[in-house]
Amino acid sequence: GESVGLHLPTLSVQEGDNSIINCAYSNSASDYFIWYKQESGKGPQFIIDIRSNMDKRQGQRVTVLLNKTVKHLSLQIAATQPGDSAVYFCAEVVTGNQFYFGTGTSLTVIP
Amino acid sequence: DTEVTQTPKHLVMGMTNKKSLKCEQHMGHRAMYWYKQKAKKPPELMFVYSYEKLSINESVPSRFSPECPNSSLLNLHLHALQPEDSALYLCASSQAGGLVDEQFFGPGTRLTVL
Repeated sequence: GESVGLHLPTLSVQEGDNSIINCAYSNSASDYFIWYKQESGKGPQFIIDIRSNMDKRQGQRVTVLLNKTVKHLSLQIAATQPGDSAVYFCAEVVTGNQFYFGTGTSLTVIP
Repeated sequence: DTEVTQTPKHLVMGMTNKKSLKCEQHMGHRAMYWYKQKAKKPPELMFVYSYEKLSINESVPSRFSPECPNSSLLNLHLHALQPEDSALYLCASSQAGGLVDEQFFGPGTRLTVL
């Protein structure tokens, strides 16, 4: 399943499928990006980050892709599990002293 | 201890009340943050303390007053709040003061202003 974080705030995927959550940003001075996961009733939890001089970074079951040309960031979750159900926020740091969360995408994993 | 704790979990206050939110971490982090999060919205950064000094104030109204008594504690003093200030208030900490450091969040205090 795939979503555009700013325009389709919900995403439903079958357990075991891959998920793609997208995020668009507007500031070309953004130099650092982070993905956070927020489960119901909890604070955001760091998932993975990427600096603007990179275009891909991989973690455990997650990959972040950065396309600076079109100012687009995506989070790919492999083999999505029920425990992945949460709201996912991208966040950007601009010139090291401004920090913004994106709108967020709600991911629901169907068992 | 890799937790950020926040108290109270829930708070209901009137517009004339004075109350405080508390945040604590024992990870040796030197930066602490306050965020405000309305329902179904992303968190919005309010304040950043770096090495116990206020380094970022995102034009927050003066009815919110942060305080960092030491590197482990962060308070948010509330006075004369408005109903629109009702929200989840999140505290976070990071190793150093830069916004590029991984932030560890607490569970938040759910504030209702009547």
